[in-house]
Amino acid sequence: DAGVTQSPTHLIKTRGQQVTLRCSPKSGHDTVSWYQQALGQGPQFIFQYYEEEERQRGNFPDRFSGHQFPNYSSELNVNALLLGDSALYLCASSLEQGNTIYFGEGSWLTVV
Amino acid sequence: DAKTTQPTSMDCAEGRAANLPCNHSTISGNEYVYWYRQIHSQGPQYIIHGLKNNETNEMASLIITEDRKSSTLILPHATLRDTAVYYCIVIVYNAGGTSYGKLTFGQGTILTVHP
Repeated sequence: DAGVTQSPTHLIKTRGQQVTLRCSPKSGHDTVSWYQQALGQGPQFIFQYYEEEERQRGNFPDRFSGHQFPNYSSELNVNALLLGDSALYLCASSLEQGNTIYFGEGSWLTVV
Repeated sequence: DAKTTQPTSMDCAEGRAANLPCNHSTISGNEYVYWYRQIHSQGPQYIIHGLKNNETNEMASLIITEDRKSSTLILPHATLRDTAVYYCIVIVYNAGGTSYGKLTFGQGTILTVHP
């Protein structure tokens, strides 16, 4: 049973560019959340998707957007990249009626 | 969600029990205590959670005080691979799912296991 998988593992982008990160939830999970973790900090909640809609959102600007597909996989898009967007981006999945959240290994984004 | 307080760092000898405390004095009746750990450069790993009863699984034990204002995560026989940042998180479990899933991470406790 595959856990939460994310791609790509590492990537480097230039300021002003756009990036798309991808996540496949754990088998059977229908809810996907995204987190940003800057170096030396704990993960910060970006948003959560359920039934292809954004259900909750943390304190992140509109440059951060997402999407959930009918197969529950999800994408995180960040536009107009800033140097401060350099971080580990984590995807987490759960069952809407469940009580445990599982994380992927993350995508390391470096903005230069 | 209730705020949690954890020591910044702790040390433990390999093979000994590691006891990681967490204070959550403002916890409310419908809030669960969750523990995650994060090994360097990896995603957070779920360890255990509980409401008011003590819990045990293959990874650890969770002891919650009777007043629920604090808890302790116990790794019974720590190994070098248990060196990680341990996060104690308190969240409301809403069966409708509207608030569940938003984990608020603090700074956690850096546990270092020594040979």
